[in-house]
Amino acid sequence: GQQLNQSPQSMFIQEGEDVSMNCTSSSIFNTWLWYKQEPGEGPVLLIALYKAGELTSNGRLTAQFGITRKDSFLNISASIPSDVGIYFCASLRWNNDMRFGAGTRLTVKP
Amino acid sequence: EAGVVQSPRYKIIEKKQPVAFWCNPISGHNTLYWYLQNLGQGPELLIRYENEEAVDDSQLPKDRFSAERLKGVDSTLKIQPAELGDSAVYLCASSLGDPGANVLTFGAGSRLTVL
Repeated sequence: GQQLNQSPQSMFIQEGEDVSMNCTSSSIFNTWLWYKQEPGEGPVLLIALYKAGELTSNGRLTAQFGITRKDSFLNISASIPSDVGIYFCASLRWNNDMRFGAGTRLTVKP
Repeated sequence: EAGVVQSPRYKIIEKKQPVAFWCNPISGHNTLYWYLQNLGQGPELLIRYENEEAVDDSQLPKDRFSAERLKGVDSTLKIQPAELGDSAVYLCASSLGDPGANVLTFGAGSRLTVL
């Protein structure tokens, strides 16, 4: 199936810094989603993007659906310790086939 | 509203034993997914149901894995016999299945350890 390339694999940042991560693919998608997973829990939806070029914010989080429909990025501004976790991008084709990236592990040092 | 419920949360078995996982999706969600998540990796799709029909099971190792969703609501995922490499978290997710606004809601997962 299609492969999502998510980067970086991990990030170690200081509290208050901004974070940026992205996801790319060789395939075109209709939807990009960003999830966060904490230890012992399932992924939780952060932001959903449905149109090419769409830019959406959720508090300190901002995500964009690339105009080529093959990529997306997620930014976190002014990071705080509770931002720690693994962030996954996910993409959806027209037939509800949803695939996930390998994740970006974020560590925030107080 | 209750979320996606999975059980058991944890299961430890010896290799060659059978194991089953259960999932109760969000009420009204027609689409149900089973994902496998290995340590340090993203979820990988095993099977997807639209109501009772398995519409994508291409990634399900059918020699040992089976799944069912008999009444289009709850689902079970079974492994028989389990192998050491099956140790992972098994995630269930559900969605309304609307292609224009499809969002998956995940359960907390069932962590399997095969000894």
